[in-house]
Amino acid sequence: DADVTQTPRNRITKTGKRIMLECSQTKGHDRMYWYRQDPGLGLRLIYYSFDVKDINKGEISDGYSVSRQAQAKFSLSLESAIPNQTALYFCATSVQGTAPFFGQGTRLTVV
Amino acid sequence: AQSVTQLGSHVSVSEGALVLLRCNYSSSVPPYLFWYVQYPNQGLQLLLKYTTGATLVKGINGFEAEFKKSETSFHLTKPSAHMSDAAEYFCAVSASGGAQKLVFGQGTRLTINP
Repeated sequence: DADVTQTPRNRITKTGKRIMLECSQTKGHDRMYWYRQDPGLGLRLIYYSFDVKDINKGEISDGYSVSRQAQAKFSLSLESAIPNQTALYFCATSVQGTAPFFGQGTRLTVV
Repeated sequence: AQSVTQLGSHVSVSEGALVLLRCNYSSSVPPYLFWYVQYPNQGLQLLLKYTTGATLVKGINGFEAEFKKSETSFHLTKPSAHMSDAAEYFCAVSASGGAQKLVFGQGTRLTINP
C-alpha cells in the first residue's frame, strides 16, 4: 500500500466547476504539502501545513484552498476551475529534518 | 529567498557514459539541497540530500552529488549510465533547520542512448 495516497489519479473537469483533490498518508508525518507541476517549470508550492491547526500559503495559492481534516488528511480545492489550472498535482509529507515524501500525483485537466 | 537553476532541460548520454546534471542554487541562509527523480507516470523519489557535514553525498542507484558552497552548485553525477536511468531529475533547495518548503528547479530530462 502506498504511504501517501492521492485521489483521484486522473480527473477531467469543466471550466467553472468546483473540484477537490484528496491526500491521505500512513507515514505518521505532521507536515503536508501540495505542489503543482507544469512542464518546464518544475514543481511549485501551493499550500503547506505543519499540523492540523496550521495552514500556510505557498508560492501560487491564488485560486486554491485547502483543508487539513486530520493529521493524515490534506485536501486541495479549486473553487472554480480554469484551464490554466491544468497540471499534475502532488501531495507530499515530512517531519522536520527529513526530505518530503511524494505521492503518485493527480493529473487534472480543465476543459 | 531561495532559487534553483538547472542547466539544460534535456541531457542525452550513451549507455555506460558519465552522467552529469548541473544544479546551481541561490540561498540567503545555509541550504539543504536535494535531488529527486521522476520516472514516467510516477511521483518524485528522493535520490539524495545534503544537509550538513560531508559535502560529497552518495545516493541511491549509484548517484552522488557534491555541495560546493563557493560555486553555489550541487551537481549530480553517475559514473556509468544505465538505460534504467532515463527519467526527469529535479534539484531542490530549502532553508536549513526549518520546514521542508522546497523550491525546485525546472527539471532535466535524461535520455540514455543504447
